[in-house]
Amino acid sequence: DTGVSQDPRHKITKRGQNVTFRCDPISEHNRLYWYRQTLGQGPEFLTYFQNEAQLEKSRLLSDRFSAERPKGSFSTLEIQRTEQGDSAMYLCASSLQGTVYEQYFGPGTRLTVT
Amino acid sequence: AQTVTQSQPEMSVQEAETVTLSCTYDTSESDYYLFWYKQPPSRQMILVIRQEAYKQQNATENRFSVNFQKAAKSFSLKISDSQLGDAAMYFCAYRRSKNTGNQFYFGTGTSLTVIP
Repeated sequence: DTGVSQDPRHKITKRGQNVTFRCDPISEHNRLYWYRQTLGQGPEFLTYFQNEAQLEKSRLLSDRFSAERPKGSFSTLEIQRTEQGDSAMYLCASSLQGTVYEQYFGPGTRLTVT
Repeated sequence: AQTVTQSQPEMSVQEAETVTLSCTYDTSESDYYLFWYKQPPSRQMILVIRQEAYKQQNATENRFSVNFQKAAKSFSLKISDSQLGDAAMYFCAYRRSKNTGNQFYFGTGTSLTVIP
């Protein structure tokens, strides 16, 4: 068990470009979450998957954002036409269905939009 | 919507002393879960302690304990015998019961400094 991993750890992009982040959850976890964390704030929920199904989406997830989890394993979060306001840490977490306890977090991807 | 408030942006404690971090939350539900997460600088968040709302007994994990006051909607974290490795951002989080949404609601965090 290597924990939740995220790639890349850092991404610098120019405004208007598209970016894609990847999250690999703990192998037996069937639930996967994406959060956004801006400076001085706690993580804010973006979306949640159970297996390959996207079950919840926050209103923070605008039309420029899309998330997928093909085959219920890794997940990708894509941001199209990035804006400076998208600069943040994007956190992925996973958990096991049937447990009501903690989510296990990855190290995050820090996005800087210039 | 659920909100979680951490009114102490920064706290400091002398090594080996005790510190208490505050957290309040707003909910109309009776069944939920509360958590404290630790986020060291440039490292990922890890769970410190959790509390089920239906349990009256306060949770304890080694040097970490909580004071859960359900009526007051308060959930404070006490760190005893503080160590240098306790320095981190601490986030209080709320999760609705297992039969409703799965997302966590986080507070804005408290930055804890441990003074040698």
